[in-house]
Amino acid sequence: NAGVTQTPKFQVLKTGQSMTLQCAQDMNHEYMSWYRQDPGMGLRLIHYSVGAGITDQGEVPNGYNVSRSTTEDFPLRLLSAAPSQTSVYFCASSYSKIPGNTEAFFGQGTRLTVV
Amino acid sequence: AQKVTQAQTEISVVEKEDVTLDCVYETRDTTYYLFWYKQPPSGELVFLIRRNSFDEQNEISGRYSWNFQKSTSSFNFTITASQVVDSAVYFCALKGGPNNAGNMLTFGGGTRLMVKP
Repeated sequence: NAGVTQTPKFQVLKTGQSMTLQCAQDMNHEYMSWYRQDPGMGLRLIHYSVGAGITDQGEVPNGYNVSRSTTEDFPLRLLSAAPSQTSVYFCASSYSKIPGNTEAFFGQGTRLTVV
Repeated sequence: AQKVTQAQTEISVVEKEDVTLDCVYETRDTTYYLFWYKQPPSGELVFLIRRNSFDEQNEISGRYSWNFQKSTSSFNFTITASQVVDSAVYFCALKGGPNNAGNMLTFGGGTRLMVKP
């Protein structure tokens, strides 16, 4: 059981480049989300999805796009990378049948550096 | 708006000492959920515990224990007889109730615990 799988684990981008962070889960969870972790700020929500075809913005959505074409996959796109997007990114999924009463499962994280 | 505060940014203890990590939260929801996650040096986030707002019983799991007090909006985490392997960043998180679309979590800033041999 792989759980939540993120790729890549590390990435260096130049300012202005675009890229997609991949996230896949094999637990048939309906809810998926992306967080970024910055020193001293904990994790902050970027975007989330409550099911295939449904996405919404979180606390810090600017500069990022998401889509959810299948239950399993929830990619995060950086359209034009900026140094302020240097961070560690986590994908998470959770079961929706008992809203709020389930823990989120996190991927291993992607450490992104924008130079 | 919801908020989670972990006032201790860094704690250093010597092995076998007991240590308590503080977590204070703010929410207007009457039903909510509190979590603790551990982030070891390898970087992944490991789920430790979930507590519902209507269940104020304290919980003990081995060397770990949690003290949930609604009156003070706190959900503190104690490690008894700390070990070097407990060295990690610990996050407290809050999830609101029925109106929380997507099971979104609000995290505290984290507490870095260093256990020295």
